[in-house]
Amino acid sequence: QQQVKQSPQSLIVQKGGISIINCAYENTAFDYFPWYQQFPGKGPALLIAIRPDVSEKKEGRFTISFNKSAKQFSLHIMDSQPGDSATYFCAASKIGGGSNYKLTFGKGTLLTVNP
Amino acid sequence: SAVISQKPSRDICQRGTSLTIQCQVDSQVTMMFWYRQQPGQSLTLIATANQGSEATYESGFVIDKFPISRPNLTFSTLTVSNMSPEDSSIYLCSARPGGFRTGELFFGEGSRLTVL
Repeated sequence: QQQVKQSPQSLIVQKGGISIINCAYENTAFDYFPWYQQFPGKGPALLIAIRPDVSEKKEGRFTISFNKSAKQFSLHIMDSQPGDSATYFCAASKIGGGSNYKLTFGKGTLLTVNP
Repeated sequence: SAVISQKPSRDICQRGTSLTIQCQVDSQVTMMFWYRQQPGQSLTLIATANQGSEATYESGFVIDKFPISRPNLTFSTLTVSNMSPEDSSIYLCSARPGGFRTGELFFGEGSRLTVL
């Protein structure tokens, strides 16, 4: 059972455009939703994360939108740049103890930003 | 945050041999994990490396194949035993400095393993 579904699998955007990647989760116990950015040959790097007490979080050109009732969250990259070309992973887990503390990852989105 | 160093960064191994990957964190961390990432795929959790006790393995992964050590709060090793070409993958060490209090998970650069 895939607990975090990510789409699209790949995305091509022109420089200056908006990149949008979506994720949906199933486990209502999840309360921590990070996004990771991974360049070829590198480990995933934590980009931005959100907790369900807010509907949106912005850091620079990166924004997470969160819809608790729909169990969905998305990453928006404004003014996309060629340097943003990477694979992006959404993930989910629960803060604190219990059985859901381990991060569950989506399958990833390969973003290509054309110059 | 945490800075995680892994070695080797890559290796080419022969079928039937074993390789040990080392992971060093720049600070003491409560929780460390090992992930596998096959080319172009997502991250799959192999096990939680527990300090002072046996690792906790996820479904599909066993101690005989992936023995893990964690002698202290900054270091862990993962061994891939009796390797086959199907073990060709990137192995990632990760650390959660905040333990159960926060969700932030940091990764090393990975160890790219090719088995011939």
